[in-house]
Amino acid sequence: DADVTQTPRNRITKTGKRIMLECSQTKGHDRMYWYRQDPGLGLRLIYYSFDVKDINKGEISDGYSVSRQAQAKFSLSLESAIPNQTALYFCATSDTTGKNTEAFFGQGTRLTVV
Amino acid sequence: DQQVKQNSPSLSVQEGRISILNCDYTNSMFDYFLWYKKYPAEGPTFLISISSIKDKNEDGRFTVFLNKSAKHLSLHIVPSQPGDSAVYFCAASSASGSRLTFGEGTQLTVNP
Repeated sequence: DADVTQTPRNRITKTGKRIMLECSQTKGHDRMYWYRQDPGLGLRLIYYSFDVKDINKGEISDGYSVSRQAQAKFSLSLESAIPNQTALYFCATSDTTGKNTEAFFGQGTRLTVV
Repeated sequence: DQQVKQNSPSLSVQEGRISILNCDYTNSMFDYFLWYKKYPAEGPTFLISISSIKDKNEDGRFTVFLNKSAKHLSLHIVPSQPGDSAVYFCAASSASGSRLTFGEGTQLTVNP
């Protein structure tokens, strides 16, 4: 089983609909992140959370919200989806034990807004 | 404002030769640099990293070089193998926060 699990893996939704992407992890990490990948733009940070009571905006948070329901769960919501939110979305986790540590990514959710 | 830039969207090399992927950054506060590899339909996976106190880090066929004065790092893969064909992302972070800033990615194709 994957250490970082994203659901759904693929989703097509209509403009204006509310949609939630879910992420759960079994790595026991405190820190969780949501990124989106667009061709030619790399991975851009949407929101991140360093623990259950901590939520921070990333580079491109407009149009998104998040909820950290538990240490292991971090969900991303699009309140009213629009076509330019069509992208590949990745959840990631990292550890706090070291000063510099890598992030571990889920397999991604491909979201299409029509 | 792209703080981490990978100026080559794609690179093609022959099997057995060296692959060199480049990355430039603008933020002087970055002190930790990473390379990730991404296959289609999978999430990025960590490949190798380097702290700003070093100028080279080697792990098997992969070596990362850091030139702080030029704000430039590179990933060398030698010898390149067809299984290395993937998108490679450069990333950076600073001591004040652990969030990673990524470059645009470079598609590496290793031809048999």
